Amino acid sequence: QVQLQESGPGLVKPSETLSLTCAVSGYSISSGYYWGWIRQPPGKGLEWIGSIYHSGSTYYNPSLKSRVTISVDTSKNQFSLKLSSVTAADTAVYYCARGIVATVDYWGQGTLVTVSS
Amino acid sequence: DIQMTQSPSSLSASVGDRVTITCQASQDISNYLNWYQQKPGKAPKLLIYDASNLETGVPSRFSGSGSGTDFTFTISSLQPEDIATYYCQQYDNLSITFGQGTRLEIK
Repeated sequence: QVQLQESGPGLVKPSETLSLTCAVSGYSISSGYYWGWIRQPPGKGLEWIGSIYHSGSTYYNPSLKSRVTISVDTSKNQFSLKLSSVTAADTAVYYCARGIVATVDYWGQGTLVTVSS
Repeated sequence: DIQMTQSPSSLSASVGDRVTITCQASQDISNYLNWYQQKPGKAPKLLIYDASNLETGVPSRFSGSGSGTDFTFTISSLQPEDIATYYCQQYDNLSITFGQGTRLEIK
């Protein structure tokens, strides 16, 4: 059974960098699929942030591209998100997921990140 | 970017009712359209993939249809456990976008 688990700070100060990691179990990232991040502001809809393949190829939402970096560590079977220069508008539940350029079939439980001083 | 217009934004129906949600793409996406169910405090769950294929383990009262720009999601007989928010999602050229969501309530 594929499982994904997000980890990282739940509170980030404005203008700083949000950093999250997603640990994958039950499937090797190196075996295939795209992996990545989706977020959901409180009470709002879902927004794709970006995706990465095990080779390191990345694809980002154009609206966030200038602030986003997604990386993968196949040795640890995990991938990471960095979002720079955050504001209150970046407060959201952040989900990591598999299949994130097509059909998203596995999701993490989500982690709430609040941007506040 | 491909935009997805989902309607209605909210819907109230009775147990046993047939419920329909629509999603319209801003350009032709063939059948690259999925439907998800999200319950409060939970991650979305895949119900329908590639417009009309039922994900393994999903009850058969859920179905999807459409191609090109117009898609429909149907619950044939609404059950109390179906109360949730439903999202359509398109995938095209290595990017994805979601509809705005439909909040489904029991009347």
